[in-house]
Amino acid sequence: GAVVSQHPSRVICKSGTSVKIECRSLDFQATTMFWYRQFPKQSLMLMATSNEGSKATYEQGVEKDKFLINHASLTLSTLTVTSAHPEDSSFYICSARPLRSGGYYEQYFGPGTRLTVT
Amino acid sequence: AQKVTQAQTEISVVEKEDVTLDCVYETRDTTYYLFWYKQPPSGELVFLIRRNSFDEQNEISGRYSWNFQKSTSSFNFTITASQVVDSAVYFCALSGAFNTDKLIFGTGTRLQVFP
Repeated sequence: GAVVSQHPSRVICKSGTSVKIECRSLDFQATTMFWYRQFPKQSLMLMATSNEGSKATYEQGVEKDKFLINHASLTLSTLTVTSAHPEDSSFYICSARPLRSGGYYEQYFGPGTRLTVT
Repeated sequence: AQKVTQAQTEISVVEKEDVTLDCVYETRDTTYYLFWYKQPPSGELVFLIRRNSFDEQNEISGRYSWNFQKSTSSFNFTITASQVVDSAVYFCALSGAFNTDKLIFGTGTRLQVFP
């Protein structure tokens, strides 16, 4: 149980185009999903936190107009990189937190999406 | 502010050696959680352990063991008899106890195990 998928796993796009990455919780409902970015040989940096049905909360320094996040249902969140540029090339990882009450609020990670902008 | 420090950027060992990965954290919360994740070359994060702040017992799972010491704010990870398959980047992370709390990652330690 507690599987999170991401699609696509790899994407190459041309500079100036937009790319959408999907994050799905396959066997649980997630009130909260997180999006991380990881540059080569660096740590995971939280980009934004999204709650189902409300606007995402972006971390300082992350352009909300460039990285559009939609969390339309309890099992799906999308990250759209608009007008992508080579510096947006990175590994994007999502995680999902299931509905529950009490105890620790576990976070399950997706396998990541490698974006290359040419 | 919460912070996780992994001072070791890279460690290289020969197979069968024991290796300890250090993790030091900072938090003002009384209730918090500490984690270790493994990230192999494929990129997918593999959850290894979660420990809450009230449980200072050391944990052993096969060749893996963890030493949590609140007095020194450390949560170190030891691999006994390392194997080539242990080669990966290992991240220590910290989170508060609330649903809205973020997971704060350290900078990671790249472990290379040579045959």
